[in-house]
Amino acid sequence: NAGVTQTPKFQVLKTGQSMTLQCAQDMNHEYMSWYRQDPGMGLRLIHYSVGAGITDQGEVPNGYNVSRSTTEDFPLRLLSAAPSQTSVYFCASSYSWGGGYTFGSGTRLTVV
Amino acid sequence: GESVGLHLPTLSVQEGDNSIINCAYSNSASDYFIWYKQESGKGPQFIIDIRSNMDKRQGQRVTVLLNKTVKHLSLQIAATQPGDSAVYFCARLSMDSNYQLIWGAGTKLIIKP
Repeated sequence: NAGVTQTPKFQVLKTGQSMTLQCAQDMNHEYMSWYRQDPGMGLRLIHYSVGAGITDQGEVPNGYNVSRSTTEDFPLRLLSAAPSQTSVYFCASSYSWGGGYTFGSGTRLTVV
Repeated sequence: GESVGLHLPTLSVQEGDNSIINCAYSNSASDYFIWYKQESGKGPQFIIDIRSNMDKRQGQRVTVLLNKTVKHLSLQIAATQPGDSAVYFCARLSMDSNYQLIWGAGTKLIIKP
């Protein structure tokens, strides 16, 4: 039981490049979310999903896309990377809205 | 708009003493509050939660108190240990946030030997 797995752990992108951050969970959780965390700040919600085929925008969705084709996977796509997207990205999952979310170890992204 | 915020960015505590980390919120419709611990370089880890119909909840060495009158909650850590060094976040869930976590900025807990 691996929990929530995020890849890659580190990534450097040039402005304008696109990439996909991967997130997978093996706990059969319906709820999955993507957050970004900037230095000295709390987490801000980018996108979330309450089940396969269902996604919705969070607090800071611009510049990011998501899809949820399976229960296990919830990839986050950066369409055209910008320096303002330099951050640490966390994926989380939960069995219900009220459940404690399990977080991945994060992806540290730098856009130059 | 709604916010969840922490009073102090850094808290220094002597090893063995009790720690109290505070959190204020402005939205009265919150249903559920959660405390997370984040160690350096790691993702947040669930500590304890409390529903809005409760005033107090206890776990192992931790207690969360909710004062709905002044919209304040606190996390108390008993007999603080070096392993408690981390940033602590309060977060809330409610219907008006589509039951998604809204996070405060965090308090860094420093343990003095």
